[in-house]
Amino acid sequence: QVQLVQSGAEVKKPGASVKVSCKASGYTFTGYYIHWVRQAPGQGLEWVGRINPNSGGTNYAQKFQGRVTMTRDTSISSASMELTRLTSDDTAVYYCSRDGGRIGNSGWYTDYWGQGTLVTVSS
Amino acid sequence: QSALTQPASVSGSPGQSITISCTGASSDVGGYYYVSWYQQHPGKAPKLMIYDVSKRPSGVSNRFSGSKSGNTASLTISGLQAQDEADYYCSSYRSSEAVFGTGTKVTVL
Repeated sequence: QVQLVQSGAEVKKPGASVKVSCKASGYTFTGYYIHWVRQAPGQGLEWVGRINPNSGGTNYAQKFQGRVTMTRDTSISSASMELTRLTSDDTAVYYCSRDGGRIGNSGWYTDYWGQGTLVTVSS
Repeated sequence: QSALTQPASVSGSPGQSITISCTGASSDVGGYYYVSWYQQHPGKAPKLMIYDVSKRPSGVSNRFSGSKSGNTASLTISGLQAQDEADYYCSSYRSSEAVFGTGTKVTVL
């Protein structure tokens, strides 16, 4: 069965960076985009970006351009998202999720989600 | 990156039907069939309910249906049940990005 397991909660100071990982299993990792979505406390969902695990190609939301980097390690079927220059506004649960369509036929929707990683930014 | 517009809340009694709207523009909802809907219960990850405007993933009840007219997409829940009480988000493709709606809290009276 498809599973996405994320790394544990993080507490960071303003100005620092955070890296969240997402280990996939139960399917061909290089066959589907991985998306990253975040949710601030009591707020809605916000798309951060996606990575093509086969090529490493990325699409980032304009809001995060220059501050986010998504990478993957195909040898361990894992994707990561690093966010730099953190502020309190970055306090949120960060989710990884799998695109519902195979690469080349992306549907811009996601069918499997990780459990979420809480990132807290506080001085 | 402005969000798609959804009503903040919608309510209904058990057995009734409700509809949640999701309004965008010709550059997102109106221009593509990449509209999806997610259900989220408190403290849980979102769950895909509808994709490609009106398709239902395997395992999702046929009480959930989706449609689109112009720049507005809609999610209809028929035969409302207590377990349908949750937050619902629409999502659409827009210029090599995905954008979510503002979210709608569904209350079962």
